[in-house]
Amino acid sequence: QKEVEQNSGPLSVPEGAIASLNCTYSDRGSQSFFWYRQYSGKSPELIMSIYSNGDKEDGRFTAQLNKASQYVSLLIRDSQPSDSATYLCAVGRLSGTYKYIFGTGTRLKVLA
Amino acid sequence: DTEVTQTPKHLVMGMTNKKSLKCEQHMGHRAMYWYKQKAKKPPELMFVYSYEKLSINESVPSRFSPECPNSSLLNLHLHALQPEDSALYLCASSQAYPDRGITDTQYFGPGTRLTVL
Repeated sequence: QKEVEQNSGPLSVPEGAIASLNCTYSDRGSQSFFWYRQYSGKSPELIMSIYSNGDKEDGRFTAQLNKASQYVSLLIRDSQPSDSATYLCAVGRLSGTYKYIFGTGTRLKVLA
Repeated sequence: DTEVTQTPKHLVMGMTNKKSLKCEQHMGHRAMYWYKQKAKKPPELMFVYSYEKLSINESVPSRFSPECPNSSLLNLHLHALQPEDSALYLCASSQAYPDRGITDTQYFGPGTRLTVL
């Protein structure tokens, strides 16, 4: 079992729809959770961080964390073609020092 | 300002060359990271510096040699690389709170695209 799992996709959604991206993790000691967006050939760009159970909203993005079920999700409302990218889930924990475990990423395609 | 800068943007080198990648941040962060990313793969952690001390080396071959001259700068010295080392090399930084046990948000630089011939 991978430590952080994401469906590789591609996930295709029509423009204006809600895109739902999921991530599960195996280490119950994980403390912090991050979503990054990465365009092809570019570096990861932070979208959201979440530390507590529940929802966290920022503009069109909502992150949801459920530690009991060990999953974190990202909802993108009113999806735009410019949202087409790979979305990386990163799970952080203290193991001597600060360390992220990345999922393999989900490729999102928003169709115009 | 959440900016991490990296130079050069692109680097082509032969297997016998010695080169260095540079990373700089002015956010007052005390943790800095080197990652390697191959196409269609997630970033792969190489090294972590915390308070200018090397705290994680993920069994990286010795042809990669990190250096942290001060809290704002991070270098990666390259020597005798192999073609399979061609990748996007990413630097990141974050706050460090060793007494709180919280992993803080990492901010990535734009990366250096390295090609080894």
